[in-house]
Amino acid sequence: NAGVTQTPKFRILKIGQSMTLQCTQDMNHNYMYWYRQDPGMGLKLIYYSVGAGITDKGEVPNGYNVSRSTTEDFPLRLELAAPSQTSVYFCASSYGLRANYGYTFGSGTRLTVV
Amino acid sequence: DAKTTQPPSMDCAEGRAANLPCNHSTISGNEYVYWYRQIHSQGPQYIIHGLKNNETNEMASLIITEDRKSSTLILPHATLRDTAVYYCIVRVAQEAAGNKLTFGGGTRVLVKP
Repeated sequence: NAGVTQTPKFRILKIGQSMTLQCTQDMNHNYMYWYRQDPGMGLKLIYYSVGAGITDKGEVPNGYNVSRSTTEDFPLRLELAAPSQTSVYFCASSYGLRANYGYTFGSGTRLTVV
Repeated sequence: DAKTTQPPSMDCAEGRAANLPCNHSTISGNEYVYWYRQIHSQGPQYIIHGLKNNETNEMASLIITEDRKSSTLILPHATLRDTAVYYCIVRVAQEAAGNKLTFGGGTRVLVKP
């Protein structure tokens, strides 16, 4: 049981390049989330999904896209990288809507756009 | 979801209890209080949650005031490994909200030898 796995752990992108951050979970969780964390700040929600085929925007969705074709995977796509997207990206999952289902977070992807 | 207010930082001595306060004066009756922590840029880790009763698990205790406008997370015997940023989060558990958590700035806790 690996929990939430994120790849890559580190990446440097040039302005205008594209990439996909991968996130997979093996806990059969319905809910999945993408957060970003800028240095010294709290986490901000980018996108979330309540199940396969269903996604919705969070607080800071501009510049990102997501898809949820399976329960296990929730990739985050950056189409035209900008320096403002330099951040640490965390993927998380949760079993469901009941209050006692906490989040499980991945270890993060550290992205630098130069 | 109700907003929370936490002190930006606090120190505590190793082996002593650490009491982390959180104000949530606008909390609604169906909102839960959650605590997470983040150790040195790792992914946040769930600690505990509660609605109105005090809660305890292997990591910590959560004390919620009777009017539910504030709460305290207690780490009973702080260790150096408890040095982290602690987030107090209030939210409603409902499907329409997608079970989302909104993170504030948290409290940076430094446990000193």
